[in-house]
Formats: sequence, structure tokens, C-alpha cells
Amino acid sequence: GQNIDQPTEMTATEGAIVQINCTYQTSGFNGLFWYQQHAGEAPTFLSYNVLDGLEEKGRFSSFLSRSKGYSYLLLKELQMKDSASYLCAVRNPTDSWGKFQFGAGTQVVVTP
Amino acid sequence: GAGVSQSPSNKVTEKGKDVELRCDPISGHTALYWYRQSLGQGLEFLIYFQGNSAPDKSGLPSDRFSAERTGGSVSTLTIQRTQQEDSAVYLCASSFPGTGNEKLFFGSGTQLSVL
Repeated sequence: GQNIDQPTEMTATEGAIVQINCTYQTSGFNGLFWYQQHAGEAPTFLSYNVLDGLEEKGRFSSFLSRSKGYSYLLLKELQMKDSASYLCAVRNPTDSWGKFQFGAGTQVVVTP
Repeated sequence: GAGVSQSPSNKVTEKGKDVELRCDPISGHTALYWYRQSLGQGLEFLIYFQGNSAPDKSGLPSDRFSAERTGGSVSTLTIQRTQQEDSAVYLCASSFPGTGNEKLFFGSGTQLSVL
């Protein structure tokens, strides 16, 4: 089967750092995506990794290890507006070029 | 248009009725996707279009669900004889393939409630 696993919920305080892990087992791989989804809103794109290593984009960074089937999203200097669900998604071209497979999402709660 | 547009934003229907959901993708985006999201759950893939053809319909839950796309633009998702378990947010997304980082642009979704 194909699985994408991420924690259900994480809580952190304003100004802190949170790391959201995502592990995947898919028959093929051509990119891992992170999306942010605020309650009642559509998901918005955060980051994309296709090669091993770290991609940094302001307060957000994403890491990929293809050999381990592992990625993380790092949120630094947390702000209250970062409270949202964070979705990990894998593109698997051997399954279907068009089918991005999503994890269930990690709800991040930022407290004052 | 400037973004992906979905209509209606909310739909309440009675069990057994048919519903039609509409998606207008970003102009020039040839790929179009339908996903379903139940409360507190992740995104469930339904169907993917490349142009007007649907290479992957594997996610459609039953034969009550169908989708079409005409003119390489607007798509409609039709659910016949709706059931209560069809209640969810139906999200449409579009992308422009061939750019490598083919991120999805999502619409705001249609909240479907089947009573």
C-alpha cells in the first residue's frame, strides 16, 4: 500500500520553533509538497522538495531524505497566525502523474 | 481568472437529490483536480483532468460520482442520488504541468451538506 504519515497535532508557544515530520511509503516519488490550511480555507502551497536536502524560505524550511522516505517542515519564530493544519503531499508518477497523495494533516496550535 | 473559482460555496440538499459542483480553474492551467475533505480529515483524491480527458478517475467513490471538463477549462462534478456520507468539502485545484514544481492552486471549496 501507500502511506503518508504525520502527527495529528502539535502545540508550541509564540516565538518558538516547531518541526513537523512526514514519512511516506510510495511505489514512486517525484516530489514532496507542504501546504498550509487555515480552518475553513483552501490549502495554500508552502514548499517543494524533489532532491535531498534543506529548502529554506523565510521562517519556513523543508527537508527531504528520499532514502529514508522522510521529510520535515520547520516553522521558526512562530506567530499566532501560524496556527493551522499543515499537509504533506507526495507526487507518485508510477501511480498516477496527476494524483498528489496527501497525509491527514498536522494541526499546529500556537499559544501566547 | 485570478484564482480558482468554485461554486456554490455552500450547498444543502436532501438525500437522494442530484447536485452539481462547478470549478473554474486559473486561466491557462491545463491540469485540474478534484479532492474531497471530510471534517478533520486529509484530502481524498477523486479525479484528475489533463485538458478535457481524465487519465485518472480511480478516486471516484462510486458510480454516483462523475465529472467532466469542457473546453479545457470549467469542470463540473456531479453527484447523483446523494447520500449523507457524501457530506464534505469538495476542493478543486489547478496547475500548469511541465514546470517541475507543479504546485496546486486550490479554490475555496464547496461545502456540501446532505440532510
